[in-house]
Amino acid sequence: DAKTTQPNSMESNEEEPVHLPCNHSTISGTDYIHWYRQLPSQGPEYVIHGLTSNVNNRMASLAIAEDRKSSTLILHRATLRDAAVYYCILGTGTASKLTFGTGTRLQVTL
Amino acid sequence: DAGVTQSPTHLIKTRGQHVTLRCSPISGHKSVSWYQQVLGQGPQFIFQYYEKEERGRGNFPDRFSARQFPNYSSELNVNALLLGDSALYLCASSLLWTGGYEQYFGPGTRLTVT
Repeated sequence: DAKTTQPNSMESNEEEPVHLPCNHSTISGTDYIHWYRQLPSQGPEYVIHGLTSNVNNRMASLAIAEDRKSSTLILHRATLRDAAVYYCILGTGTASKLTFGTGTRLQVTL
Repeated sequence: DAGVTQSPTHLIKTRGQHVTLRCSPISGHKSVSWYQQVLGQGPQFIFQYYEKEERGRGNFPDRFSARQFPNYSSELNVNALLLGDSALYLCASSLLWTGGYEQYFGPGTRLTVT
């Protein structure tokens, strides 16, 4: 399985933008880039996903490098409710199996 | 619309026993996947089913089995429980079974094996 690399933890102040990086240098042409987050004592929550172009939805934006070897999840205005573990995952085009790593623990402070 | 539902919420079993966990996907979703999450780690893929057929299997022993029913709900069965099977078991549903579709997770079943 193609792997992703994320920082273990990041901190942000409330109402400031947050950029969560992810490296996936072994990504294949059919791999989708997915982001999920998990709040304490809850199941993972879908955030956003994309293939080649940048993507926006009501929760976040996903910026994908031109060579697709890295991506950045952008939370435009962090709130305390965004404190969670964020997972960057590659979803192969032929199966929806998700291989979770250790993720980035985001702390949001006042 | 109802999200993914799982039952039971919590379960305590003894080593050697058998357990059945249940999952109902979001209406219209035909793919169901199961994950195991041990405390402090990310979820690990166990099975994926689509249209009642197994589409993927993770690196878990044969004690773990699953099936999907005609209404797309699913069961995960674990035989001969070990202490190490204590974990949060997550079910996720998606429209189709390929990587281009997002998955929606249920709240999980917390299994404790004593």
